[in-house]
Amino acid sequence: VQLVESGGGVVQPGRSLRLSCAGSGFTFSTYGMYWVRQAPGQGLEWVALISDDGNDKYYADSVRGRFTISRDNSKNTLHLQMDRLSTEDTALYYCAKDMGRFRFVFHYWGPGTLVTVSS
Amino acid sequence: QSALTQPPSVSGSPGQSVTISCTGTSSDVGDYDYVSWYQQHPGKAPKLMIYDVNKRASEVPDRFSGSKSGNTASLTISGLQADDEADYYCCSYAGNYHVGFGGGTRLTIL
Repeated sequence: VQLVESGGGVVQPGRSLRLSCAGSGFTFSTYGMYWVRQAPGQGLEWVALISDDGNDKYYADSVRGRFTISRDNSKNTLHLQMDRLSTEDTALYYCAKDMGRFRFVFHYWGPGTLVTVSS
Repeated sequence: QSALTQPPSVSGSPGQSVTISCTGTSSDVGDYDYVSWYQQHPGKAPKLMIYDVNKRASEVPDRFSGSKSGNTASLTISGLQADDEADYYCCSYAGNYHVGFGGGTRLTIL
């Protein structure tokens, strides 16, 4: 199993950014997927989850209405569209694979991609 | 503010045992057996150690064990080794397809 995030960078408050996560070594279309973030020096925070078929999506209260999780099973890729970013969104963003459709287990993690929101 | 409460730090000497607690509520830890634990070394991604309260992930040594009583889950590490020094996070399903993490516990090997 391998997960590799990309798309992080420095962005101004109020702007948008789109993260991607490429999965390999497993049947991508049969697992739920997550985004989890970790602010510098802080703990882990669940951000969003998506079902194996992409039809069901759920968000943490802190990002609902601003972030959109999606997936392209034909390309084994997970996305996170982040709009109206604020400085509080500065964090290392990890994608993670579930053990099944909705097992609520972060089974495998990518190395993360850093998002810095700063003027 | 984290959904689950963990002690900020614990410590132990090599060969000893330590237990890390994770206190939630009757709406998360107390209501579901979807409790998991993650180990994170500095600069590294978290690693799954325990899931479904007490099941060890593959290749995790049996020195690591999980349990739950009421609204509190626990991770016990026996026979402490130097490489166990890391941050540990608990996690629980909280209903309505929401998940919460604890604030993390720094384990120091003396």
